[in-house]
Amino acid sequence: SQQGEEDPQALSIQEGENATMNCSYKTSINNLQWYRQNSGRGLVHLILIRSNEREKHSGRLRVTLDTSKKSSSLLITASRAADTASYFCATEEDSNYQLIWGAGTKLIIKP
Amino acid sequence: DGGITQSPKYLFRKEGQNVTLSCEQNLNHDAMYWYRQDPGQGLRLIYYSQIVNDFQKGDIAEGYSVSREKKESFPLTVTSAQKNPTAFYLCASREARGYTFGSGTRLTVV
Repeated sequence: SQQGEEDPQALSIQEGENATMNCSYKTSINNLQWYRQNSGRGLVHLILIRSNEREKHSGRLRVTLDTSKKSSSLLITASRAADTASYFCATEEDSNYQLIWGAGTKLIIKP
Repeated sequence: DGGITQSPKYLFRKEGQNVTLSCEQNLNHDAMYWYRQDPGQGLRLIYYSQIVNDFQKGDIAEGYSVSREKKESFPLTVTSAQKNPTAFYLCASREARGYTFGSGTRLTVV
């Protein structure tokens, strides 16, 4: 079953600009995770934010979580060409430890 | 280096054949997962295993089978009953801070 929905589906920006991607979900969650996937490769875990957290930072990444709106955003600041990838959000629901995935946002950074 | 190794990277299957995709981890993780990814879509769960000798069906288990005889290994067999097996298959293991993925196997039916 698919829960997360990323928005936009695709995003193209100039190098150096900030990129913001959004994720909405439907049910109560234990945590929400963001992953990056380069073309034809496996996924790389970026950041996990728990349901009792509102904001988390990791390097140039900033993730927010609004449980009242059932939504999260991923901000990449000062984008680089190497940030070109697909970005997925996944939610882990209470107690069953399975991840439910969105369809992803394809991010293209133009040099 | 700890991680997950999937093999082969590319696999071609003839109609009616069973094929097995390998997934090995040296992370000492209990939980392991198999996902299928189709172009432009998110991941769909095929099977998962929380512990050795136990596994559960995911959302799209039909036409697939797994085994978990060792903690390190979670092979996936794509049987001839899977009518549309061409896809990218990802194996993952889980720890508290998130999932670790292998680099995937691309299966094509020829």
